[in-house]
Amino acid sequence: SQTIHQWPATLVQPVGSPLSLECTVEGTSNPNLYWYRQAAGRGLQLLFYSVGIGQISSEVPQNLSASRPQDRQFILSSKKLLLSDSGFYLCAWKNRDRGYGYTFGSGTRLTVV
Amino acid sequence: GENVEQHPSTLSVQEGDSAVIKCTYSDSASNYFPWYKQELGKRPQLIIDIRSNVGEKKDQRIAVTLNKTAKHFSLHITETQPEDSAVYFCAAGNSGGYQKVTFGIGTKLQVIP
Repeated sequence: SQTIHQWPATLVQPVGSPLSLECTVEGTSNPNLYWYRQAAGRGLQLLFYSVGIGQISSEVPQNLSASRPQDRQFILSSKKLLLSDSGFYLCAWKNRDRGYGYTFGSGTRLTVV
Repeated sequence: GENVEQHPSTLSVQEGDSAVIKCTYSDSASNYFPWYKQELGKRPQLIIDIRSNVGEKKDQRIAVTLNKTAKHFSLHITETQPEDSAVYFCAAGNSGGYQKVTFGIGTKLQVIP
């Protein structure tokens, strides 16, 4: 069966520090991968999505970036965090060959202090 | 791009009553409408979805309706139970291999025992 792993679960980082969040999917190949952010009490904002290795589409211009170095690995990064980067970050995947909805990872709660 | 509006933002119902959450979308090309349930501190999980070739879909106490002409869709929960308390998100997008959906802002449902 397919599983999605996301870590760390929680992270407290000072303003100006770098960020690296990792997401991996097991049990499938060539998935669509997504990064969403959920600010406190807010909806789900799509940040990046990827349909293949090295293929990244950005939805919101900001100081975050994403990379997909391997088929089932998706990384969210920042060189310098801002206070406004605080939130709940969710990775999700979808099987490209099936019209099903996303499966989300367990999320990373990031607090920038 | 797609714009999804969701209301109400909060909803309180007595246990056993019905709850209805409504969403509208802007892009007439959207053909896939999933609903997600997010319990406090957890990841969103797909509970039901509907495609544009279907007007209604039901799964036990949950049903979704879609009006393509008016570009709106709704979630209906009957015989609500305390465990239905959560935040519910609607979304709209395409169901193809390169699926990308836009989420509504969410509805916080509270079922009062």
